[in-house]
Amino acid sequence: DAKTTQPNSMESNEEEPVHLPCNHSTISGTDYIHWYRQLPSQGPEYVIHGLTSNVNNRMASLAIAEDRKSSTLILHRATLRDAAVYYCILRANTNAGKSTFGDGTTLTVKP
Amino acid sequence: EAGVAQSPRYKIIEKRQSVAFWCNPISGHATLYWYQQILGQGPKLLIQFQNNGVVDDSQLPKDRFSAERLKGVDSTLKIQPAKLEDSAVYLCASSLDWDGTYEQYFGPGTRLTVT
Repeated sequence: DAKTTQPNSMESNEEEPVHLPCNHSTISGTDYIHWYRQLPSQGPEYVIHGLTSNVNNRMASLAIAEDRKSSTLILHRATLRDAAVYYCILRANTNAGKSTFGDGTTLTVKP
Repeated sequence: EAGVAQSPRYKIIEKRQSVAFWCNPISGHATLYWYQQILGQGPKLLIQFQNNGVVDDSQLPKDRFSAERLKGVDSTLKIQPAKLEDSAVYLCASSLDWDGTYEQYFGPGTRLTVT
């Protein structure tokens, strides 16, 4: 399975942008890049996903490198409610869409 | 749209006892996943169903864990007998289909404590 690498933790100030990086150097051409986040005592929550082009939705933006070996989740204005563990995973269009969660990045937002 | 439902939310059992968890996915979702999440770690896929068939159970400890998805809707995950190391949160998720274009929706999880 293609693996992802994320920093263990990051800090941000409230109302400032946050850039969460993810490396996936072994990504295949049919792998989608998905981001989920998990608030304390809750199940993971879908944030955004993309294949090649940058993507925007109401929660965040996803910037994908041209060679697709890395991506960045962008939270445009962090709030205290964005404090969570953020997971970057690859979901294949083959092999039953198998994906593997790593240990994610714990984001701390300071007021 | 109702989300993924799981029950119970919490369960405490003694080692060597058995336990079962129930999951009701989002209506119309063909793919159902069971994950195990140990404290401080990311979710680990135990089993994946496509409708009522198993497509991946490579990380399911089959000597003690079993799962079924009757009629391609609800699913149950059973542990018999439980060990101390089974203490974890068990997450159920569903997606419209299995390929990477579709996101997964997770339930709130069942927190299992084995004493």
